Amino acid sequence: GNSVTQMEGPVTLSEEAFLTINCTYTATGYPSLFWYVQYPGEGLQLLLKATKADDKGSNKGFEATYRKETTSFHLEKGSVQVSDSAVYFCALSRIQGAQKLVFGQGTRLTINP
Amino acid sequence: NAGVTQTPKFRVLKTGQSMTLLCAQDMNHEYMYWYRQDPGMGLRLIHYSVGEGTTAKGEVPDGYNVSRLKKQNFLLGLESAAPSQTSVYFCASSYSRGSHEQYFGPGTRLTVT
Repeated sequence: GNSVTQMEGPVTLSEEAFLTINCTYTATGYPSLFWYVQYPGEGLQLLLKATKADDKGSNKGFEATYRKETTSFHLEKGSVQVSDSAVYFCALSRIQGAQKLVFGQGTRLTINP
Repeated sequence: NAGVTQTPKFRVLKTGQSMTLLCAQDMNHEYMYWYRQDPGMGLRLIHYSVGEGTTAKGEVPDGYNVSRLKKQNFLLGLESAAPSQTSVYFCASSYSRGSHEQYFGPGTRLTVT
């Protein structure tokens, strides 16, 4: 079946540090891949996405590249800010009548000033 | 646009009580979803709907029922609440075509004692 595995948190970094959150997936065929972010007390928001192999999604300084050969979609940011503190979810979807998302367990990120 | 709204925001139930969670969206989306979020487990799909009058089971449907009588509303019901249903519940919606981005509501925190 389809599944997503994320690096375990929590992750704590200092402001301006480099961020990587690992995400690998198992799926048949060619899923679309997503990163969602959840700020404290809020629902999830789409951060970025990629729909085919070698695509790079980017938004707000975050990037992730769809690597089919390693079944990965790692999230990176070159210089994190305190405002990036949130929980990050990697997810995949297969279009089979309805777009059903399969989520990883989430990674809590805390950025200290 | 309000986007996706959920009521109530918080609720405490006793075991065996019933309740209905309401989700409303004003984006004319065809698809709607109910997820539950538990610590360390990401989000899991409970039920979903691909259109008015249609519903389908997701990954963890037991103990829940849903209805979609109007396109903009998706109701989640608990007929006899159990402590295992203590969770944060998120509703989401999406178009049936295009970017496949799901838009999430702010969540309902339910505690069953």
